[in-house]
Amino acid sequence: GAVVSQHPSRVICKSGTSVKIECRSLDFQATTMFWYRQFPKQSLMLMATSNEGSKATYEQGVEKDKFLINHASLTLSTLTVTSAHPEDSSFYICSAKDSRLGGDLYEQYFGPGTRLTVT
Amino acid sequence: SQQGEEDPQALSIQEGENATMNCSYKTSINNLQWYRQNSGRGLVHLILIRSNEREKHSGRLRVTLDTSKKSSSLLITASRAADTASYFCATGTNSGNTPLVFGKGTRLSVIA
Repeated sequence: GAVVSQHPSRVICKSGTSVKIECRSLDFQATTMFWYRQFPKQSLMLMATSNEGSKATYEQGVEKDKFLINHASLTLSTLTVTSAHPEDSSFYICSAKDSRLGGDLYEQYFGPGTRLTVT
Repeated sequence: SQQGEEDPQALSIQEGENATMNCSYKTSINNLQWYRQNSGRGLVHLILIRSNEREKHSGRLRVTLDTSKKSSSLLITASRAADTASYFCATGTNSGNTPLVFGKGTRLSVIA
């Protein structure tokens, strides 16, 4: 159990276009999901915390108008990179905690990541 | 912001040797977790140790946690070439809306 999926796994887009990345919790409900970004040879940096039914909370330095996050249901959060530029090329990883009653909030489950390349 | 600092940043060893990676953190935590990441791939959860635990084993992995020193270590015994990867520590709480905070990672190379 506790599987998180991401789609697409890889995407190449042209500069100036927008790209949407989906994150789904397949067998559990997640009130809160998290979006991380990882540049080559670096660690994961938290971009934002996505809350179901409300606005996301962005980390300092992350542009909320550029990285649109929508958490429309307890199993789906989307990240849209708007007007993408080459410097947005990165590995984007989502994760979620099981928010069901009795769920182990120690565990944070990660998606397999989405490799975005902006040309 | 990143909390954990891994040491060393890079480690190269021969197959069969043991690999030790250390992680330090700054604030109080409820748990500390170790992840592995192969180049260009997703994260693989290795082990979780809670703040009231001092040591935990899983196969060839041994993790220690010293909350007084705010540090943890990951020991991989009898390393294999397949262990070549980046290893990250991440600190967490048992709050539903608080994410794991990752350290900078250690790049381990195991030479056959």
